[in-house]
Amino acid sequence: AQSVTQLDSQVPVFEEAPVELRCNYSSSVSVYLFWYVQYPNQGLQLLLKYLSGSTLVKGINGFEAEFNKSQTSFHLRKPSVHISDTAEYFCAVSDQPGGGADGLTFGKGTHLIIQP
Amino acid sequence: KAGVTQTPRYLIKTRGQQVTLSCSPISGHRSVSWYQQTPGQGLQFLFEYFSETQRNKGNFPGRFSGRQFSNSRSEMNVSTLELGDSALYLCASKITGTGGDTQYFGPGTRLTVL
Repeated sequence: AQSVTQLDSQVPVFEEAPVELRCNYSSSVSVYLFWYVQYPNQGLQLLLKYLSGSTLVKGINGFEAEFNKSQTSFHLRKPSVHISDTAEYFCAVSDQPGGGADGLTFGKGTHLIIQP
Repeated sequence: KAGVTQTPRYLIKTRGQQVTLSCSPISGHRSVSWYQQTPGQGLQFLFEYFSETQRNKGNFPGRFSGRQFSNSRSEMNVSTLELGDSALYLCASKITGTGGDTQYFGPGTRLTVL
């Protein structure tokens, strides 16, 4: 069975400051990792994904994440946040690149609050 | 290219009723998955359809069912609604049933059960 833990339910950050959203996973098989963003009253949008290869993954909107197998982590970072980054962020894991037999397993989400 | 569309966007039902939600995938996408999102349980996988067949199923009771049509559009049905079924139901599509494809999510249908 797989699981995802997002360590912070809420992260307040000042505009133009850097941010890191933490994600830890557990999986007994091959792991594929994703970060999605959800803006109010909208569905999920893929920010980035790790399937294989370089452990540093770059995504849209200036976000990046680093896969750390030894620490079973996939933390999301952005060097300078903007007010428009205010949203809910979800980390997800799968045993197949596009979602396996159990679909994508999501964390509980982290609410990123950008303060002016 | 148009994204994943879901109808209706909002729905209010009473306990005991049944409801049908619809999802139209991105053109060319043959796999459709459904997820339930609630404040308490977060995002949970319901089931996946590919080529009109249910391929995978999450841990939900039999009151939750679905189907997929030949044009890849999918419907989800919930019978004998309970208060706990109030949630945002998200549909996601991808090109094929194989790995390596990104799931694209629709805006969701917000179901409220009174």
